[in-house]
This record gives sequence, C-alpha cells and structure tokens, in this order.
Amino acid sequence: EAGVTQFPSHSVIEKGQTVTLRCDPISGHDNLYWYRRVMGKEIKFLLHFVKESKQDESGMPNNRFLAERTGGTYSTLKVQPAELEDSGVYFCASSQAGAQTYEQYFGPGTRLTVT
Amino acid sequence: SQKIEQNSEALNIQEGKTATLTCNYTNYSPAYLQWYRQDPGRGPVFLLLIRENEKEKRKERLKVTFDTTLKQSLFHITASQPADSATYLCALERNNNDMRFGAGTRLTVKP
Repeated sequence: EAGVTQFPSHSVIEKGQTVTLRCDPISGHDNLYWYRRVMGKEIKFLLHFVKESKQDESGMPNNRFLAERTGGTYSTLKVQPAELEDSGVYFCASSQAGAQTYEQYFGPGTRLTVT
Repeated sequence: SQKIEQNSEALNIQEGKTATLTCNYTNYSPAYLQWYRQDPGRGPVFLLLIRENEKEKRKERLKVTFDTTLKQSLFHITASQPADSATYLCALERNNNDMRFGAGTRLTVKP
C-alpha cells in the first residue's frame, strides 16, 4: 500500500512568487492534515480536512495560504505571494475516519525555500 | 499560553542503555499523547499513543508513561541500539485534529 506522498520534495522560489504544494493521502483516509516546520522550531498544525471539508483551519498563518481538497482526495496548499518567513518544511498527514484518534501517517514533506 | 517542552534538544547514550525522553506540557488538557520518530529528510513516523486514562503503554522495547497530574510523559527505549538514533517528537491532541508537537529530542546511541 502506498503511503502519503507529497510533491514537490523541494521548491525554491523568490519572494512574491506563488507556489503550490500537493499531498496525496493514503487511499481511503478521510482525514488530511497540513503541518509546517520552520527551521529549529516545532511542527505546527495548519489545518485539517475531513473529506473535502475544512474541519479546522485555525493554524493557517494568514490569507496568503489557501488549502483545497477537491473531491476529498488529494489536497493542495498554495502560498501566494510567498514571503521569506514561509520557508520551512510542509508536511501532510492522513488518518482513517472515526470517532477515535487514529495514528497519522506523514508524508516526507516539501522543503520550501523562499529567497 | 499552551506549551510543550521536550527535556533537551539532544541526548547521547551508550548502546545497551535505556534512553529516557521527557515531554512536559502546560495549559493544555490532551486526551491523547503520541510519540513519533523522525529521521533526517523524512516525515514523522508514529510509534505509540497513550490516552489520558492510561498510565503506561508498551510496545517491544518502547515504553510510554503518561501522568496527567504532573502533565508529563516519559518515553523509554530499553536496550538501545545505534539504529534507534533519530529525533523523537511528542504530540498532544485534544480531539481528532489540531495535534501539537514538541520541538523534539535528537537521540544518538553510540556503539
């Protein structure tokens, strides 16, 4: 069974440009999460999808970040326009649906560098 | 404000010894606490989950304790091996979302 995949693995863009990150969760996982890790800091929650609906987007830093999950399958996270402080590693994770907490399976992350 | 602290950035131990990592939290009432392992360039990998009404959980050489009075979790790796070298993250979760991570402890097991 394929794990969570993320694309690209690394992106280098200039300040002011737009970048779109993609996450493909494990097939059948309704829950999809985005996290970000800025260098030297802890991993921070960004948002949570249940199928195509945003369950919680309280961690999104500002309106330059837009996440979508059309059809409840893969998800994209767009940063527009990118700023220097957006640099970091963006992780996606997925888990099964249900009332109980299930372990989250993480992707390898996308390393974003804004210059 | 809510804070999650892992005892140290780095921990070095000798092979065969027991590694003990600490996760303390304040201003938070998690329903679950999880421990993850992360290797360089990879995403975190789930290890163990312990619920607020559980005191201890074991899995092979791993043991986790959870003290909601002290607001602390201890993560033990017994008979440590060089292959256990990695960064270990604790994560707290109230509901099935908004999981909050500590900054991690980098463990190095020397042969």
